[in-house]
Amino acid sequence: GDSVTQMEGPVTLSEEAFLTINCTYTATGYPSLFWYVQYPGEGLQLLLKATKADDKGSNKGFEATYRKETTSFHLEKGSVQVSDSAVYFCATTNSGGSNYKLTFGKGTLLTVNP
Amino acid sequence: DTEVTQTPKHLVMGMTNKKSLKCEQHMGHRAMYWYKQKAKKPPELMFVYSYEKLSINESVPSRFSPECPNSSLLNLHLHALQPEDSALYLCASSRLPDRGNSPLHFGNGTRLTVT
Repeated sequence: GDSVTQMEGPVTLSEEAFLTINCTYTATGYPSLFWYVQYPGEGLQLLLKATKADDKGSNKGFEATYRKETTSFHLEKGSVQVSDSAVYFCATTNSGGSNYKLTFGKGTLLTVNP
Repeated sequence: DTEVTQTPKHLVMGMTNKKSLKCEQHMGHRAMYWYKQKAKKPPELMFVYSYEKLSINESVPSRFSPECPNSSLLNLHLHALQPEDSALYLCASSRLPDRGNSPLHFGNGTRLTVT
């Protein structure tokens, strides 16, 4: 079945540092890929997505590129802020079906210190 | 502000109680979902409704009973829960028809404690 592997962290950075959170996936066909973010005490919010190979998703300074050759979708941000502190989940859709089921990675806790 | 509204935000119930969680969205989405999230874990899918019909039940115990009265509302009825059912229950919705390109919109969840 489909699976997602991401760095579990926790990741602790100083403000304005560069962020990378690695994510690799296993899936047949052509799944869509997502990064969701969960701030403390809240539900998940879509951060960015990519639906086909070489697509780059971007939002709020975050970027991720769908790399089919390496089955990866690494999240990057050039300069993190304290307000980016949250849990980040990489996710993929099940491939090949019309039912919409997300497979999540285990999540990466990011803490950004001032 | 989230476009998916869940009530209540917090719920404490005994193992013999009956309670319901409610979820509402007005985005015209025709797929609605219940997820369960334990601390420091990703969300786990429980149920999916598609056009107000139950399309996925992830082998959830019968003490959890979902209901979709109309395209905007989703309920989760709880009865005879166990302490290990304590978790954050998240509702989500997405546009249909879809082949996985439409993202989920999550509510902020109901924090359930079973005593």
